[in-house]
Amino acid sequence: DAMVIQNPRYQVTQFGKPVTLSCSQTLNHNVMYWYQQKSSQAPKLLFHYYDKDFNNEADTPDNFQSRRPNTSFCFLDIRSPGLGDAAMYLCATSREEEVHEQYFGPGTRLTVT
Amino acid sequence: EDQVTQSPEALRLQEGESSSLNCSYTVSGLRGLFWYRQDPGKGPEFLFTLYSAGEEKEKERLKATLTKKESFLHITAPKPEDSATYLCAVQGSITGNQFYFGTGTSLTVIP
Repeated sequence: DAMVIQNPRYQVTQFGKPVTLSCSQTLNHNVMYWYQQKSSQAPKLLFHYYDKDFNNEADTPDNFQSRRPNTSFCFLDIRSPGLGDAAMYLCATSREEEVHEQYFGPGTRLTVT
Repeated sequence: EDQVTQSPEALRLQEGESSSLNCSYTVSGLRGLFWYRQDPGKGPEFLFTLYSAGEEKEKERLKATLTKKESFLHITAPKPEDSATYLCAVQGSITGNQFYFGTGTSLTVIP
């Protein structure tokens, strides 16, 4: 089945220790998104790629970076995680930037100790 | 600024007790309104897209409707497996592909 896969599902890192989360998709969608979701809150868009074009949300901290080496894969790098970065990180894809539903992966739960 | 407000925050229903969830929105040029289901510890699962006022979509016990200011997710004769958080999101013409999510309604269906 076509799907969005995120690894790992659970990640524990230390304060200030860089961490990378990965996302892959078999849907062959052009757009990939990264969201941050904290407990009982709405998902918050961090950035997205339309093909290779990177789009950063204005209020996304510089601590968060992303890479998309090819159509199928996208990475979220957190350079110096703080306690406030503990959250669920969701990857999503959509076929195009126009009105198209987004399909989400299962998420990576990040804990910062 | 585009905004989405969902109510109630939490809803407890007896099995078989029908009800509706509300999603009120303010958006410049609605391009689409989306409903998702999210189970604890998992990513949101796509349910419906609505594009224009008057549109309705159905899937099993769920029916989504759309007016110019709000959307309703009607749940008919719910079962315990319908327990989840239901998220609403809108996409506006000015904000491009940005999805604005509400904080969701947490639904619990009691056997």
